[in-house]
Amino acid sequence: QKEVEQDPGPLSVPEGAIVSLNCTYSNSAFQYFMWYRQYSRKGPELLMYTYSSGNKEDGRFTAQVDKSSKYISLFIRDSQPSDSATYLCQTSYDKVIFGPGTSLSVIP
Amino acid sequence: DTGVSQDPRHKITKRGQNVTFRCDPISEHNRLYWYRQTLGQGPEFLTYFQNEAQLEKSRLLSDRFSAERPKGSFSTLEIQRTEQGDSAMYLCASSFASGANVLTFGAGSRLTVL
Repeated sequence: QKEVEQDPGPLSVPEGAIVSLNCTYSNSAFQYFMWYRQYSRKGPELLMYTYSSGNKEDGRFTAQVDKSSKYISLFIRDSQPSDSATYLCQTSYDKVIFGPGTSLSVIP
Repeated sequence: DTGVSQDPRHKITKRGQNVTFRCDPISEHNRLYWYRQTLGQGPEFLTYFQNEAQLEKSRLLSDRFSAERPKGSFSTLEIQRTEQGDSAMYLCASSFASGANVLTFGAGSRLTVL
């Protein structure tokens, strides 16, 4: 079983839509759960992270962790064309492993 | 601090040549990671260092790949006898090994093997 699994998309939505991005992970020992955003031809950058279970909100973005089902989600409200990027989840600590990323396009 | 720097940004080489990439991490960070990324894929973990110690190298793609961090500061990733399949973006990231271990990435070094 892979450490992190993620639907690679691509996902295409109209501007203003609510977007849901999801990952599953295998190691129940993980405590920190990150989302990175990567624009084309750039390195990934941290978008937000959560510790253990629960929700965290930052502007239009909400990260959600369900440790019982080993499932993490990122919700984007009122999506904008500038949100068009690849979104990567990260769930390990030392040997940092990423999911394959979900490519998102927000169409004006 | 200007963030994580990678050099060169783009390298074009012929098959069979050796290439070396350099990464300068954020000075306060004690961990340094190398990843390979191909089009449409997430970053693929290669190796990482804590200070000068290489703590994981089993995922280096073959014995043609090696990485060093001699003084616990900058790092180099060398690929010997390059093959066309080595064409990819090579990303470096650094972090401080505490709490969430958030990675800061460089812009990457793009390798094209002809």
